Amino acid sequence: EIVMTQSPVNMSVSPGGRATLSCRASQSISNNLAWYQQKRGQAPRLLIYGASTRATGIPARFSGSGFGTDFTLTISNLQSEDFAVYYCQQYEKWPVYPFGQGTKVEIK
Amino acid sequence: QVRLVESGGGVVQPGRSLRLSCVASGFALNSYAMHWVRQAPGKGLEWLAVISYDGDYKYYADAVEGRCTISRDNSKNTLYVEMSSLTTEDTAVYYCATSVVITTYFDLWGQGTLVTVSS
Repeated sequence: EIVMTQSPVNMSVSPGGRATLSCRASQSISNNLAWYQQKRGQAPRLLIYGASTRATGIPARFSGSGFGTDFTLTISNLQSEDFAVYYCQQYEKWPVYPFGQGTKVEIK
Repeated sequence: QVRLVESGGGVVQPGRSLRLSCVASGFALNSYAMHWVRQAPGKGLEWLAVISYDGDYKYYADAVEGRCTISRDNSKNTLYVEMSSLTTEDTAVYYCATSVVITTYFDLWGQGTLVTVSS
């Protein structure tokens, strides 16, 4: 069973600052990793796929990196609309698609 | 407008079954694999099931295997999930989501429908 672990669970960042979120897979998943953003009361939205490719309409301040087991989502110049919960998900070891437990990015 | 709309949620008694629907608008569902994902109150996302674009392949999470059935009717542009033997642990918002193929990420999500299992 593949397990996705995100850190930190919570983080506080000032508007205009930078947030660095981590996601670790319990076994190698190549670059088959996606990141999703979920705002309070809303459905998740795809941000990044293939570990580093932004989905349609996602601003350039969101960037992803990593390969194998360790991945990072970086949000630069944080805007008010970026305060949300972020989930990573692997799709290398289909047909199971586990998510990480999420990282909540809050306003400092 | 391209979107997915879930329905069928509500309050259900423990031990009963429910059937949720997910209707696509603005695009043809028959081009996509489809997933169900749920989120218990205050918790994270839990993948439940996937069905291939033609319905030939279906896979389930271990946690719901045996009491969850995913299906689709492409002529109605609709995805379904049926859950049986419900417990309070099944209380959650249930989302449907698309993926281009069964082996990849989820690129469009519905707004979700809340299921509350309570006596």
